[in-house]
Amino acid sequence: GQNIDQPTEMTATEGAIVQINCTYQTSGFNGLFWYQQHAGEAPTFLSYNVLDGLEEKGRFSSFLSRSKGYSYLLLKELQMKDSASYLCAPRAAGNKLTFGGGTRVLVKP
Amino acid sequence: GAGVSQSPSNKVTEKGKDVELRCDPISGHTALYWYRQSLGQGLEFLIYFQGNSAPDKSGLPSDRFSAERTGGSVSTLTIQRTQQEDSAVYLCAKGARAGELFFGEGSRLTVL
Repeated sequence: GQNIDQPTEMTATEGAIVQINCTYQTSGFNGLFWYQQHAGEAPTFLSYNVLDGLEEKGRFSSFLSRSKGYSYLLLKELQMKDSASYLCAPRAAGNKLTFGGGTRVLVKP
Repeated sequence: GAGVSQSPSNKVTEKGKDVELRCDPISGHTALYWYRQSLGQGLEFLIYFQGNSAPDKSGLPSDRFSAERTGGSVSTLTIQRTQQEDSAVYLCAKGARAGELFFGEGSRLTVL
């Protein structure tokens, strides 16, 4: 089975940095994904880590430590449009992708 | 959204009726997933199809739920004898080569 733990909600100010942590336990491990979901919309792909380390993509970066079962998503230079839920999704062996409950990020002016 | 078409977008039904939800991944990717999302909750895995392999049905919540995929493309999720707790958004996603998923806009099911 899989256990995925991420904070329920975070609040930050426009222009600031926010780090969303995710810890997981999986039956086998085949990479970890982060998705963004705005209210009332479908999730959209943000990042993918399969090896340890940091992957940077513009204002968003994602980090993975396989030995610790830990990942984080870093959002820099926060904008109002970044207010959304952020879903951590480790992939188990066999390609089954399971999602955490999501972290709702509220960006305030 | 992202080349995945789902229908209907909204379905209101009475408790005890059967419903069918359809997903067309359009470009025919081999991997297709169904998830369900209740209001304010995360995504709950239901079922996963990959090529000609037997589907992973480990997430189906009860035997009232079933899904099939015809011709390796279009998939139908069927819920028999619907209950109020089945009310949710049902999301279909296709898997890209690198493994990321592209989701459809979902089918919102309301069981009265």
